[in-house]
Amino acid sequence: GQQLNQSPQSMFIQEGEDVSMNCTSSSIFNTWLWYKQDPGEGPVLLIALYKAGELTSNGRLTAQFGITRKDSFLNISASIPSDVGIYFCAGLKSYNTDKLIFGTGTRLQVFP
Amino acid sequence: EPEVTQTPSHQVTQMGQEVILRCVPISNHLYFYWYRQILGQKVEFLVSFYNNEISEKSEIFDDQFSVERPDGSNFTLKIRSTKLEDSAMYFCASRYTSDTQYFGPGTRLTVL
Repeated sequence: GQQLNQSPQSMFIQEGEDVSMNCTSSSIFNTWLWYKQDPGEGPVLLIALYKAGELTSNGRLTAQFGITRKDSFLNISASIPSDVGIYFCAGLKSYNTDKLIFGTGTRLQVFP
Repeated sequence: EPEVTQTPSHQVTQMGQEVILRCVPISNHLYFYWYRQILGQKVEFLVSFYNNEISEKSEIFDDQFSVERPDGSNFTLKIRSTKLEDSAMYFCASRYTSDTQYFGPGTRLTVL
């Protein structure tokens, strides 16, 4: 099946540090979404990207839609303890599908 | 801010029993989805629903699964005869016209 690979798989950082994670695929995607999931809860949308090259910010979060349309990255600046969770990228392969394909996730731990 | 709600939060059932998971999508949304997440794994698409019919489904969504929008506000997932491997978190999602899908908090299904 279609695979979206996220790296790193997990990160352990100190409060205040910046974080960068990415998502890659062998196939082209038309839409990229970044979600955060807290334990026992549903994914919460952070950022949506619709065009190749698009760079979008949401507070301390910045995400980019790769030029090749096969990747995306998410940066978090000045991390805080509540940033802890699992970050998933998700993509839509074409404009004719609603099937969101999720990445493998990056688990973030922030130490005070 | 409007949100997707799901009930129950946790459902325990015996293998072979039927279960119905319930969702109330965001009120003006038109497209509805079910996803599942086996413990520790990524989120997987099950089915999408629009205009009172299934628009897309995955290979996971076999004859044991069905969806229904019985009235103007609820969206349900029925599993006819549950198996042990159906144990997972089930997430409902909805969207309006943009590609952005909003997820509910999930129902944890445990099949014994």
